[in-house]
Amino acid sequence: NAGVTQTPKFRVLKTGQSMTLLCAQDMNHEYMYWYRQDPGMGLRLIHYSVGEGTTAKGEVPDGYNVSRLKKQNFLLGLESAAPSQTSVYFCASSSPRTSGLSYEQYFGPGTRLTVT
Amino acid sequence: AQTVTQSQPEMSVQEAETVTLSCTYDTSENNYYLFWYKQPPSRQMILVIRQEAYKQQNATENRFSVNFQKAAKSFSLKISDSQLGDTAMYFCAFMIGGANSKLTFGKGITLSVRP
Repeated sequence: NAGVTQTPKFRVLKTGQSMTLLCAQDMNHEYMYWYRQDPGMGLRLIHYSVGEGTTAKGEVPDGYNVSRLKKQNFLLGLESAAPSQTSVYFCASSSPRTSGLSYEQYFGPGTRLTVT
Repeated sequence: AQTVTQSQPEMSVQEAETVTLSCTYDTSENNYYLFWYKQPPSRQMILVIRQEAYKQQNATENRFSVNFQKAAKSFSLKISDSQLGDTAMYFCAFMIGGANSKLTFGKGITLSVRP
């Protein structure tokens, strides 16, 4: 049981390049989330999904797109990377079935992205 | 909108002593959950403790306990018998109950445990 995994762990992009971050979970969770962590800012929600085929915007969605074609995967895309998107990205998943009403979130190990 | 405030950016404690990390939040909701997450240098986010707002009893997990003051909207974390492995960044987080729930995080506090 790997929990939540993220690919890649590190990446360096040039301004204007595109890339996709992959999040996978093997816990059969319905809900999945993408956060970014910047120094002094805590974690901020980018996009989230409450089920296969559905996505919604979080607090800081601009410049990102997401897709949830399969229940176990949640993809985060950067179409044209900007230096302001240099950050550490975390994926998380949760399910009311496993953690009662508290919707406890389980986090992946993070992806450090640098845009030059 | 909900906000979470951690006003202390850094704290330091001697090994084996007790330290308290502060957190305040603002919400008009009555049904919600509060969490403390630990992020060691490995970067992994680890859930330390959680509190349901409808419970009056403060949550406890081994050396970790909270002081939940609902009227004051305060949720502090007490770490007893501090260990070197407690050195990490700690985040307070808030979630409204129900589906589509999202975590709102504070900015975090860096805790250093001195040998």
